[in-house]
Amino acid sequence: GAGVSQSPSNKVTEKGKDVELRCDPISGHTALYWYRQRLGQGLEFLIYFQGNSAPDKSGLPSDRFSAERTGESVSTLTIQRTQQEDSAVYLCASSLALATREAFFGQGTRLTVV
Amino acid sequence: GQQLNQSPQSMFIQEGEDVSMNCTSSSIFNTWLWYKQEPGEGPVLLIALYKAGELTSNGRLTAQFGITRKDSFLNISASIPSDVGIYFCAGQVLGGDGNQFYFGTGTSLTVIP
Repeated sequence: GAGVSQSPSNKVTEKGKDVELRCDPISGHTALYWYRQRLGQGLEFLIYFQGNSAPDKSGLPSDRFSAERTGESVSTLTIQRTQQEDSAVYLCASSLALATREAFFGQGTRLTVV
Repeated sequence: GQQLNQSPQSMFIQEGEDVSMNCTSSSIFNTWLWYKQEPGEGPVLLIALYKAGELTSNGRLTAQFGITRKDSFLNISASIPSDVGIYFCAGQVLGGDGNQFYFGTGTSLTVIP
């Protein structure tokens, strides 16, 4: 597609439930990033995928968070047993990685845990 | 991970004034990026910098990649109301640290007509 697409745009869930957030990167982009942005805060790195290499999971805050990517396309971020502290905007970005080194963002998924 | 210090945290300026914000890092970066984020939207890339000393313009925006590779600034000339938003710097280290982008904490810009 023309840009990075994320779905859903908004998600309200009950504490303790699992959620899945989806990211469709720009076609041909081999690198994909997930960030978390709490209200009024900066972007917190979560996880990075680059082609077929092992993902960099160093930013995942707990084992309740996981992410997958199918080849060089869609990625899903899963949060299990959600907590109120997980409420934030989850942003996905993609880039051509070493080719241009510019990352382009989707509009984000606003997650609210009640 | 690397720490990016972005300043100022917020700015309130009159329309027509020039704006300057900067980012400093304790580490060397290979790439500096500047983004603007408006409410309810994802960050939008404004300017990308790839070489130490590089000075790049995009309309009324000018950004520079510091010669030490540990800092960058963004200037906005003749500000207008639509410049309102949060501006983020981002740095990238290629290779050893996984190619991720590190973000500053943002500068919130308010332009008073």
